Amino acid sequence: AQKITQTQPGMFVQEKEAVTLDCTYDTSDPSYGLFWYKQPSSGEMIFLIYQGSYDQQNATEGRYSLNFQKARKSANLVISASQLGDSAMYFCAMSPTDSWGKLQFGAGTQVVVTP
Amino acid sequence: DGGITQSPKYLFRKEGQNVTLSCEQNLNHDAMYWYRQDPGQGLRLIYYSQIVNDFQKGDIAEGYSVSREKKESFPLTVTSAQKNPTAFYLCASSWASRTGELFFGEGSRLTVL
Repeated sequence: AQKITQTQPGMFVQEKEAVTLDCTYDTSDPSYGLFWYKQPSSGEMIFLIYQGSYDQQNATEGRYSLNFQKARKSANLVISASQLGDSAMYFCAMSPTDSWGKLQFGAGTQVVVTP
Repeated sequence: DGGITQSPKYLFRKEGQNVTLSCEQNLNHDAMYWYRQDPGQGLRLIYYSQIVNDFQKGDIAEGYSVSREKKESFPLTVTSAQKNPTAFYLCASSWASRTGELFFGEGSRLTVL
């Protein structure tokens, strides 16, 4: 069974600052993927970034980077230079590579960016 | 524009009635999914389909049914057997052979009175 834990229910960050969202996971699958999604108040889920369990380098997508520490089973999301539009819920998720799409989600972290 | 369309956006029903939520995609994706979201929680997988005329149960399939007669469409029926149907329902699609990047619709909020 897989489990995703996001321990930060909410956080405030000032505009232009960086913020780190914590995610730890537990799985017995040898190969898996880790994902971060953003959910604005409108409700739709937006894919941000993906990290494969065998990827040697940490994933980056624009202002998003994933700090992957396999031994610690953590996959923290770093948002650099926060913008007001970054205010949203952020979800960490994972799936085994033989079952793409069967994502297990964490409970989410609410981020509020202040001017 | 390509995307996923869910309808209706808001739906109110009386207890004991079946409800069908629509999900249509024009992204030519092979796989489609239904997730449920309750307040303060992450998403949980209800059903998924990787190919037409085939679908599998997710983690919380009890009280729900689906069909996949066309590649573009994956409707979800919330039956009267679902004990607590009030929730936010999200449909998603993806390339079955690619990484698990899902494209989501805007969701349907179901309230059972």
